[in-house]
Amino acid sequence: AQKVTQTQTSISVMEKTTVTMDCVYETQDSSYFLFWYKQTASGEIVFLIRQDSYKKENATVGHYSLNFQKPKSSIGLIITATQIEDSAVYFCAMRYTNAYKVIFGKGTHLHVLP
Amino acid sequence: NAGVIQTPRHKVTGKGQEATLWCEPISGHSAVFWYRQTIVQGLEFLTYFRNQAPIDDSGMPKERFSAQMPNQSHSTLKIQSTQPQDSAVYLCASSLEQQISNERLFFGHGTKLSVL
Repeated sequence: AQKVTQTQTSISVMEKTTVTMDCVYETQDSSYFLFWYKQTASGEIVFLIRQDSYKKENATVGHYSLNFQKPKSSIGLIITATQIEDSAVYFCAMRYTNAYKVIFGKGTHLHVLP
Repeated sequence: NAGVIQTPRHKVTGKGQEATLWCEPISGHSAVFWYRQTIVQGLEFLTYFRNQAPIDDSGMPKERFSAQMPNQSHSTLKIQSTQPQDSAVYLCASSLEQQISNERLFFGHGTKLSVL
């Protein structure tokens, strides 16, 4: 069965520092896709970044990057030079190739302090 | 592109009443998802349509919940005989579906359902 676990409920960091949010997943499939989404205080959920399981290179988009450790079934989100507006809830998600549902973790609430 | 549109934004029902939630996906998107979000359970998958056909409803409660997609421009989630435990934010998302499942989801702002 698919399962995505985010153990960090809440993280506080100072502005302009780097933060890593953890995510581990359970899968019986060899091919899958991993996603990170951000939910702002208004409730809006937006896509941030994706990692394809068959790619060895870690994905990077702007100041977001991933630490993909396939043997550990781990996909960490790294945010560099954090800004106040990065304060939000971050969700990790997984989908098998040719599967239907996208499974989400329970989220990590990031607080960026001035 | 207005994004995924969900109406109403807030709905208050009395226990036992029916609630119908509406979703208009992004034009051209062939996949529509419904999720329920609560503090305790997080984002729970409910159901998935592809090209208007119901494909996976494994997350739908067996009783009282139903979803339809009568045309490519809207989907509805109906909850009959609402109960207080149905109170949640119901989110609709759409995506371009190609041969592989790597497309991002675009979420609506959700409908906050409160059952009194």
